[in-house]
Amino acid sequence: DVKVTQSSRYLVKRTGEKVFLECVQDMDHENMFWYRQDPGLGLRLIYFSYDVKMKEKGDIPEGYSVSREKKERFSLILESASTNQTSMYLCASRYRTGGNSPLHFGNGTRLTVT
Amino acid sequence: DAKTTQPNSMESNEEEPVHLPCNHSTISGTDYIHWYRQLPSQGPEYVIHGLTSNVNNRMASLAIAEDRKSSTLILHRATLRDAAVYYCILREVAGGTSYGKLTFGQGTILTVHP
Repeated sequence: DVKVTQSSRYLVKRTGEKVFLECVQDMDHENMFWYRQDPGLGLRLIYFSYDVKMKEKGDIPEGYSVSREKKERFSLILESASTNQTSMYLCASRYRTGGNSPLHFGNGTRLTVT
Repeated sequence: DAKTTQPNSMESNEEEPVHLPCNHSTISGTDYIHWYRQLPSQGPEYVIHGLTSNVNNRMASLAIAEDRKSSTLILHRATLRDAAVYYCILREVAGGTSYGKLTFGQGTILTVHP
């Protein structure tokens, strides 16, 4: 089974801090994604990466950046955390872009910015 | 993005079949229909996908209307473990700029009664 591991289940940070959310997948998947999930808004795509060192903006990239230096790891960076970035963050990976290989999700990081 | 419409919530009794509807009247000819579900405190998990023909797997069946403007996810015998949010998503075929991203809507909250 594919395993997508997010480094923290819960995280509390202060406004203005730089925050790193880490995600690792163990199945040599090409594509990786970062979503955030908020009540009433569902899952929204922040960034995705279709290969190492490649990235594309999703629907809500403002205030975030990403890094993919190695195939198995995709990091989400909040350059200066703000309270409106309090959310559940979900990482996902997929075998490759073409075809219909499914997304595999981690169990999420619940981030609170105070 | 082509959009989907699902009921906000549905209820079922344990061991009865459940039919979860999804409307996608603006679907394009190359969009695949994907279903995911999200159990409490977990990331979403893939359930099934299809293009035109009905599909079956160990988790569920997918019935697709002949005009493809709607589909139905069928759980043949609901269990308490099937209580989750079910998402119907149209997957854009890669080749454009979307890289086959999946846009999640609000989904249907399924409650299963013992």
